[in-house]
Amino acid sequence: GQQVMQIPQYQHVQEGEDFTTYCNSSTTLSNIQWYKQRPGGHPVFLIQLVKSGEVKKQKRLTFQFGEAKKNSSLHITATQTTDVGTYFCAAQETSGSRLTFGEGTQLTVNP
Amino acid sequence: KAGVTQTPRYLIKTRGQQVTLSCSPISGHRSVSWYQQTPGQGLQFLFEYFSETQRNKGNFPGRFSGRQFSNSRSEMNVSTLELGDSALYLCASSLQGQTYEQYFGPGTRLTVT
Repeated sequence: GQQVMQIPQYQHVQEGEDFTTYCNSSTTLSNIQWYKQRPGGHPVFLIQLVKSGEVKKQKRLTFQFGEAKKNSSLHITATQTTDVGTYFCAAQETSGSRLTFGEGTQLTVNP
Repeated sequence: KAGVTQTPRYLIKTRGQQVTLSCSPISGHRSVSWYQQTPGQGLQFLFEYFSETQRNKGNFPGRFSGRQFSNSRSEMNVSTLELGDSALYLCASSLQGQTYEQYFGPGTRLTVT
């Protein structure tokens, strides 16, 4: 079945540093979604990317979908303690197929 | 709008028993998906139901089953529980399916002893 690799598994940063997590698939994707799960919480939808080369921004968060639609990244500029949590990508091969989650990147931010 | 609700929130069962978990989606949402979350395995997809029909299924044994009712509420059942079934079970609802934004419930924490 479809596999989605997400790296790194863990990332520790000082507050104010940047952070990036990457998501890679061996197959071309229909779309990719990003979620954030705070410690003790449940995943919360952040964004969906559909088009090749798409870039979307939400305040300090920048999401990119690769030109080949096989990879994606989430970049956070100037991290804050409120950014702590696990970030998951979730990929769909074709519209209507199952959503496959990456293993997540756990971000800790030292104040 | 009320969010996704899951009951019970916590459950302790013994090996060999069976368990039924319930999920009430956001009003108007027709798709309900179930996931198992464990520290070592991340979020593993169990199945998705849409309009009372199972639309997608993950790679779990037949001990895991589910259903969806006409009001979109969903249940999942695990029979003959094993220690490895201890996990957080999350359900997520969406308007039309997994192509769309998933709204997750708080989960049911199942502990099998």
